[in-house]
Amino acid sequence: DAGITQSPRHKVTETGTPVTLRCHQTENHRYMYWYRQDPGHGLRLIHYSYGVKDTDKGEVSDGYSVSRSKTEDFLLTLESATSSQTSVYFCAAWGTGNSPLHFGNGTRLTVT
Amino acid sequence: AQTVTQSQPEMSVQEAETVTLSCTYDTSESDYYLFWYKQPPSRQMILVIRQEAYKQQNATENRFSVNFQKAAKSFSLKISDSQLGDAAMYFCASDGGSQGNLIFGKGTKLSVKP
Repeated sequence: DAGITQSPRHKVTETGTPVTLRCHQTENHRYMYWYRQDPGHGLRLIHYSYGVKDTDKGEVSDGYSVSRSKTEDFLLTLESATSSQTSVYFCAAWGTGNSPLHFGNGTRLTVT
Repeated sequence: AQTVTQSQPEMSVQEAETVTLSCTYDTSESDYYLFWYKQPPSRQMILVIRQEAYKQQNATENRFSVNFQKAAKSFSLKISDSQLGDAAMYFCASDGGSQGNLIFGKGTKLSVKP
């Protein structure tokens, strides 16, 4: 949707290992977001970016870091994955003005 | 803190009939957007409809319409002439005045019976 690609689509990893999820957008949107989706919680904001190298924390940022070195790429890193980080992760992007928020197709991460 | 509440975890509707999904929210902002997103089994998040709080007229998109009651902080979604393809999770969300920093409800799972 709106040129947002998430990779990988699925990932299984072990507790304690580092994991990086990638979000790539082709629409030159200024704002990008990482959400996680868990049963019974809807989607919750992890981190967001309002420009290159400009990021801020969301509601559930503990255990996550992000980086944005280029407009088109927004990376989410789990420094040391835990089982509580098993979730579906969505990237989203928004330009300005009247455009709505567009989502990628999600990454299902399983931490064993 | 901003909150969005969907009080119906599951709903069911007969094909071709009408169903209304409920949503209430809380924000201290005076200007904000409200959204309904659809998530089919494919996991894709699809924007169904959007409402600007300063617009009194209820938004409509084909078979989808909202009943926006600003004073009551209520934002329900009405689906008319329900189709099998409408079966999905529906999420209500508010941006609280900051587009993109959405606060989501927990979702309503809609089933459509043939």
